[in-house]
Amino acid sequence: AQSVTQLDSQVPVFEEAPVELRCNYSSSVSVYLFWYVQYPNQGLQLLLKYLSGSTLVKGINGFEAEFNKSQTSFHLRKPSVHISDTAEYFCAVTGPAGNQFYFGTGTSLTVIP
Amino acid sequence: EAGVAQSPRYKIIEKRQSVAFWCNPISGHATLYWYQQILGQGPKLLIQFQNNGVVDDSQLPKDRFSAERLKGVDSTLKIQPAKLEDSAVYLCASSGTAEQFFGPGTRLTVL
Repeated sequence: AQSVTQLDSQVPVFEEAPVELRCNYSSSVSVYLFWYVQYPNQGLQLLLKYLSGSTLVKGINGFEAEFNKSQTSFHLRKPSVHISDTAEYFCAVTGPAGNQFYFGTGTSLTVIP
Repeated sequence: EAGVAQSPRYKIIEKRQSVAFWCNPISGHATLYWYQQILGQGPKLLIQFQNNGVVDDSQLPKDRFSAERLKGVDSTLKIQPAKLEDSAVYLCASSGTAEQFFGPGTRLTVL
């Protein structure tokens, strides 16, 4: 079975500063990895995904993540955040069959003006 | 392309009452999921359908929760009777391959 750990429950950062949201997973099989963003009172929106190929994945809104198999990590980064990036961010993992998703507990990103 | 539709968006009921949520997935998506998201937590899978068959319902409290997906398209999730701890956002998602697309959710408040 897979599981996901998001190490930081809350991350405050100043506007235009860089940010990294950490995600570690555990799995005995190869995995697919995802980052979702959830704005207040809205559903989850896919930011980016790693299925195969290049370990550096670029997503929407200037976010990127790097798959590190040896460290079982999939950290999300953005070089310069905006106020509009304030939201909840979820890391998720699924196995190659693409069936059951496991979500982390989420990281609340707050961008400070 | 239309996204995943859910209704209602908000629902307030008293404990021991019944409630039902509806989900219409993206056209052509064979897999449909219902998640429960309690405030401050990540989504927890309640049930997964492949077409109109159940793939995984291991975390569905079957004494009070039920779900169906007639004809392999839209789905309903029912709670009967509701408890205070059922207050949460209920998310529906659908997928064609590995990626899931989520609806806006139904926020349930049980008083």
